[in-house]
Amino acid sequence: NAGVTQTPKFQVLKTGQSMTLQCAQDMNHEYMSWYRQDPGMGLRLIHYSVGAGITDQGEVPNGYNVSRSTTEDFPLRLLSAAPSQTSVYFCASSSHSNSNQPQHFGDGTRLSIL
Amino acid sequence: AQKITQTQPGMFVQEKEAVTLDCTYDTSDQSYGLFWYKQPSSGEMIFLIYQGSYDEQNATEGRYSLNFQKARKSANLVISASQLGDSAMYFCAMREGQGGGGNKLTFGTGTQLKVEL
Repeated sequence: NAGVTQTPKFQVLKTGQSMTLQCAQDMNHEYMSWYRQDPGMGLRLIHYSVGAGITDQGEVPNGYNVSRSTTEDFPLRLLSAAPSQTSVYFCASSSHSNSNQPQHFGDGTRLSIL
Repeated sequence: AQKITQTQPGMFVQEKEAVTLDCTYDTSDQSYGLFWYKQPSSGEMIFLIYQGSYDEQNATEGRYSLNFQKARKSANLVISASQLGDSAMYFCAMREGQGGGGNKLTFGTGTQLKVEL
């Protein structure tokens, strides 16, 4: 029972490099989202998707791109990494049809930008 | 204004005692949901308990209960009979609206709980 799988778990980048954080879920959830967690600030929503082909911005979208070509996958792209993007990134999914259900989180990706 | 406020950056409790973690929220929606998550030092986010704005009874899940006071806009988490394994960061989060715009959550800044012998 995999749930939400994030890869990689750790990554170090240089300023200006690009990379994609992968997120996959096997629960057939319509809703998927990306959060970042910074010390003292809780989790903040970056982008979210309510289904394949539909994405929208969250609270802190600048510097990140997303796409949703399948129900299962929701990758997060950093186009040109900046030190301010050093953070822990969490992907989450939930059943969109029942918003009372909790979001299931992946184990996180710890990203450092030098 | 903060939508979710957790005023206790850190809390200590002795093993086997009960502890209350505070959470206040701000919303103009009539329909909303409140969630509590636990984040141990290993980093994963673990769902604990949910309270809907229209739920008349306080939610309970094992040793966790939610003291929901709608008029005060508070949703405090009560952990009974604390265990060493309860030592973790605890986050309160809110989903506003019916969820049609996506199950977006707004998180508080968290409370670090330490359970002592």
